[in-house]
Amino acid sequence: GQQVMQIPQYQHVQEGEDFTTYCNSSTTLSNIQWYKQRPGGHPVFLIQLVKSGEVKKQKRLTFQFGEAKKNSSLHITATQTTDVGTYFCAGLSGTASKLTFGTGTRLQVTL
Amino acid sequence: GAGVSQSPRYKVAKRGQDVALRCDPISGHVSLFWYQQALGQGPEFLTYFQNEAQLDKSGLPSDRFFAERPEGSVSTLKIQRTQQEDSAVYLCASSLARVFRTDTQYFGPGTRLTVL
Repeated sequence: GQQVMQIPQYQHVQEGEDFTTYCNSSTTLSNIQWYKQRPGGHPVFLIQLVKSGEVKKQKRLTFQFGEAKKNSSLHITATQTTDVGTYFCAGLSGTASKLTFGTGTRLQVTL
Repeated sequence: GAGVSQSPRYKVAKRGQDVALRCDPISGHVSLFWYQQALGQGPEFLTYFQNEAQLDKSGLPSDRFFAERPEGSVSTLKIQRTQQEDSAVYLCASSLARVFRTDTQYFGPGTRLTVL
């Protein structure tokens, strides 16, 4: 079945440093979504990418969807302690109805 | 209005007991999803409803798991004869559109199930 992997599994940065998480799917995706989950919380939708090569920005966050629609990335510029949490990508492929979540990248930010 | 709510927030069950987990989606949301999230893992799809119709139940791990949404609003996930491997957080999400793949899913706080 479809697998979605993310790297790194965990990253610890100092506040102000940049952070990137990469998402790779075993199958071509029709769209990809990104979620953030704070410790003890539930996933919160961040953004959706649909088009090949699409790039979207939300303040310090930049999201990219690969040309082949099999990979994606999330880049955070100048991290803040409020960025702490686990970032998940989640993809839909073909006519499948289910959203397949990636393995997640846990971000820790310290002062 | 209010977001997605789930109850109970925490449930401890003895192995072999049946449990029922409730989800109240955002009012007017057509699509409803159940996910299972094990510790340190991403959510895994269990089942999907469009109104009262269960369109996809391919993620239910065994016939001990059953979900319903009889009036197209509140949904219940039932687990019969619970096993220790059922321990996880069960997340419910809803979305507005019928064409769910283009729409945001709003997650509830989850029910943390511990099976002893």
